Amino acid sequence: NAGVTQTPKFRVLKTGQSMTLLCAQDMNHEYMYWYRQDPGMGLRLIHYSVGEGTTAKGEVPDGYNVSRLKKQNFLLGLESAAPSQTSVYFCASSSPHGQAPNTGELFFGEGSRLTVL
Amino acid sequence: AQKITQTQPGMFVQEKEAVTLDCTYDTSDPSYGLFWYKQPSSGEMIFLIYQGSYDQQNATEGRYSLNFQKARKSANLVISASQLGDSAMYFCAMREGSFGRDDKIIFGKGTRLHILP
Repeated sequence: NAGVTQTPKFRVLKTGQSMTLLCAQDMNHEYMYWYRQDPGMGLRLIHYSVGEGTTAKGEVPDGYNVSRLKKQNFLLGLESAAPSQTSVYFCASSSPHGQAPNTGELFFGEGSRLTVL
Repeated sequence: AQKITQTQPGMFVQEKEAVTLDCTYDTSDPSYGLFWYKQPSSGEMIFLIYQGSYDQQNATEGRYSLNFQKARKSANLVISASQLGDSAMYFCAMREGSFGRDDKIIFGKGTRLHILP
C-alpha cells in the first residue's frame, strides 16, 4: 500500500533556483495539503486543495505555488528558492471531515527535506 | 481564525506514569474535529486519536484518551501507563467544517515528550 508518496525525499538547492515537489496519493482522497515543519514552529500549512482543479492559500503561502491538475497529484513549486525555505515539507491527504465512517484524519507522506544554500 | 495552542514545549515523565499533554483551540465554527498526532524521531506522522465537536463521549484508543472540555475549548491527550516508546513529539490539530465545505487543518507547535526509565 503506497498511501501518500513524496518525491524527491532530499534536495539541495542554490538560492534562486526553482524546483517542484510532487505528492501522489492512491486513496482517492478529495483533499490534499502541503505543510512545512521547522524546529519550534510545528507544522504550518502552505497551500491546500479540496478537489481537482482547486487550490487555496494556507498560513504561509508566500514564495510557493501549487497545482492540482489530477485528483491524485498535488505539486508544490518554489519559483526562486530562498534560504528561509529550508525545511522539511510534508504532503498529506484526507477525505472530507464528517463523511462517516471517516474522521477526516490526515494521511501523511514521509516528508521531503529541502536545503537552500 | 483557527488557532491551536500547545503550552508545553517539553515534558519529562517517568515510565509507567500517566501523562497529560495540553491543547487549547479557538474556533467559531460549531462543527470541527480535533486530532492528535505522534512524530517519533524517525520523522513520520502517526495518527493517534480523533474527537468530533458533536461527540458526546471522550474518545479513547487503547492507552490514549482525549479529555474533551468543549466549554473550555480544551482537548488534552492523556497517555496512560507511559512507555519508553512514547518518547516523541506530539501535535494537536484542528479541522473546521464538515461534509466537504472548504476547510483546512491547523496544527499546534507541538510538545516533545521524554519518557524516563
